[in-house]
Amino acid sequence: AQKVTQAQTEISVVEKEDVTLDCVYETRDTTYYLFWYKQPPSGELVFLIRRNSFDEQNEISGRYSWNFQKSTSSFNFTITASQVVDSAVYFCALSAGNTPLVFGKGTRLSVIA
Amino acid sequence: SAVISQKPSRDICQRGTSLTIQCQVDSQVTMMFWYRQQPGQSLTLIATANQGSEATYESGFVIDKFPISRPNLTFSTLTVSNMSPEDSSIYLCSVRELAGGQGHNEQFFGPGTRLTVL
Repeated sequence: AQKVTQAQTEISVVEKEDVTLDCVYETRDTTYYLFWYKQPPSGELVFLIRRNSFDEQNEISGRYSWNFQKSTSSFNFTITASQVVDSAVYFCALSAGNTPLVFGKGTRLSVIA
Repeated sequence: SAVISQKPSRDICQRGTSLTIQCQVDSQVTMMFWYRQQPGQSLTLIATANQGSEATYESGFVIDKFPISRPNLTFSTLTVSNMSPEDSSIYLCSVRELAGGQGHNEQFFGPGTRLTVL
């Protein structure tokens, strides 16, 4: 069985601060995929990143970066110099092989101007 | 990436009635799923919609309550039957594209159907 834990329910930061959203996963499969999605107040799910279990390179995309560590089963997401538009609920998700995504409970990020 | 549309985008329904939600994808996709997101909660998988056969339901979800059809590779429907206020949720259609020999997986979501049951 797969499981995703996002221990942070809500985070509030002041604009321009850096913030890290934690994600810890559990799976017995050796091949799996990790995802991050953003859900702004409008409700749609926005795909941010997919990482497969064989690629432990960290990734940076603009102000976003992801730290994948198999040793600790974590796939954390950092936003640098946060902006008000980053306010949303962020979901971490896991899929082993071709199984459907299993989602964490989400972290609600509020960025205050 | 696949473009997914859902109809209706939102509805308000009376207790005891049923609503059918449609999901249309602009390309043929291998896998289609239906998720539910209750207010303030995460996404929970209802079922995998299988083309030409019965859907595969997750624990806690049954066909009588959530009948699903998938007549082809681009279309699926989810019916919420005999609704109660507890069914008030966002229902999302999702598709998985399998690409390449390395099994790259992309999963995309429709805009959702916001259902309120009075």
